[in-house]
Amino acid sequence: EAGVTQFPSHSVIEKGQTVTLRCDPISGHDNLYWYRRVMGKEIKFLLHFVKESKQDESGMPNNRFLAERTGGTYSTLKVQPAELEDSGVYFCASSLLTAPAYEQYFGPGTRLTVT
Amino acid sequence: QKEVEQNSGPLSVPEGAIASLNCTYSDRGSQSFFWYRQYSGKSPELIMFIYSNGDKEDGRFTAQLNKASQYVSLLIRDSQPSDSATYLCALNTGNQFYFGTGTSLTVIP
Repeated sequence: EAGVTQFPSHSVIEKGQTVTLRCDPISGHDNLYWYRRVMGKEIKFLLHFVKESKQDESGMPNNRFLAERTGGTYSTLKVQPAELEDSGVYFCASSLLTAPAYEQYFGPGTRLTVT
Repeated sequence: QKEVEQNSGPLSVPEGAIASLNCTYSDRGSQSFFWYRQYSGKSPELIMFIYSNGDKEDGRFTAQLNKASQYVSLLIRDSQPSDSATYLCALNTGNQFYFGTGTSLTVIP
């Protein structure tokens, strides 16, 4: 069974540009989470989808970030326009709808560098 | 804002020794606690979870929870070089996780 996949693995963009990160959860996982780790800081929750609906987006830093999960399968996280402080590793995780909270499976992350 | 505090290390132990990783948290209402291991450039993977006060053992790993002191720890017995990684402490409220910054562990052969 394939795990959570994320694309791209690395992205280097200039300040002001737009970047779109993609996450493909494990097949059948209705819960999808986005997290971010800024260098030297802890991994922080961004938002949680249940199928295509945003269950909790309290961690989204500002309106430059837009997450979508059309059709309830893969999700995208777009940053527009990117700022220097957006640099970090963006993780996606997924779990079954009925799974306990600890059964989140993390993807390998996308390392975003904004210059 | 829930906070999870970890000593960032690095922590170095010789092979075969016990590695002790510690974590404190600020929200007394937190109920579920987790330890993740993350190898460099890889995704975090769950090692242990603990809900109740006391110790929970799984192979060479023991998680310890003391809710009164708001303290959770991970002991790794008979440490192996393959245990070298960053260990993340996390707690869960509902479906949201709060992570510590992680402790870097190096096991020296």
